Amino acid sequence: DTAVSQTPKYLVTQMGNDKSIKCEQNLGHDTMYWYKQDSKKFLKIMFSYNNKELIINETVPNRFSPKSPDKAHLNLHINSLELGDSAVYFCASRVGGREETQYFGPGTRLLVL
Amino acid sequence: TQLLEQSPQFLSIQEGENLTVYCNSSSVFSSLQWYRQEPGEGPVLLVTVVTGGEVKKLKRLTFQFGDARKDSSLHITAAQPGDTGLYLCAGAPGSGSARQLTFGSGTQLTVLP
Repeated sequence: DTAVSQTPKYLVTQMGNDKSIKCEQNLGHDTMYWYKQDSKKFLKIMFSYNNKELIINETVPNRFSPKSPDKAHLNLHINSLELGDSAVYFCASRVGGREETQYFGPGTRLLVL
Repeated sequence: TQLLEQSPQFLSIQEGENLTVYCNSSSVFSSLQWYRQEPGEGPVLLVTVVTGGEVKKLKRLTFQFGDARKDSSLHITAAQPGDTGLYLCAGAPGSGSARQLTFGSGTQLTVLP
């Protein structure tokens, strides 16, 4: 039983294309996140959703847009992909309240050519 | 912006050796977490420390939260090849935030048989 799942695991695409990454959690958590991990393994938060409401929007380009159809899903759509977008993107979820533990998905490895 | 610096960035040791990884900041955190990330996977929580001076043990791993809640350390005794991975510390801010974790720069540990 996968707690946080992401699709696809690998994504290779051309510069300028539009792509989406899907994330689903079956933990019943209230808060979901998108992180970007660069080649130096630095993990940086991009977005956070709490009960379908965007509550954090870090300084990421507006080519990136999170979409949450329901509490269990948080998808990431990227327009006009650039070479610098190549990274590993992680989805995570947290139960909410004062509980800090975040549960991460397996990651999506994006390579922009 | 709260920053967490980890040291060392890379560590390669022989099986059976002891090691310590440090996580330092000039900011105060309400709690601090340690995650381990294995290749091709997302980070997985090892421990959360919440009280200044707190020490927690997880088998051969000992975690300590600094008295001022600005720093933490992870000590591994008699390291094994299975301990190999990327170790990430993550700090949770005080109250009034959206519970956004700040991740450290990571320590890549390799334990050689």
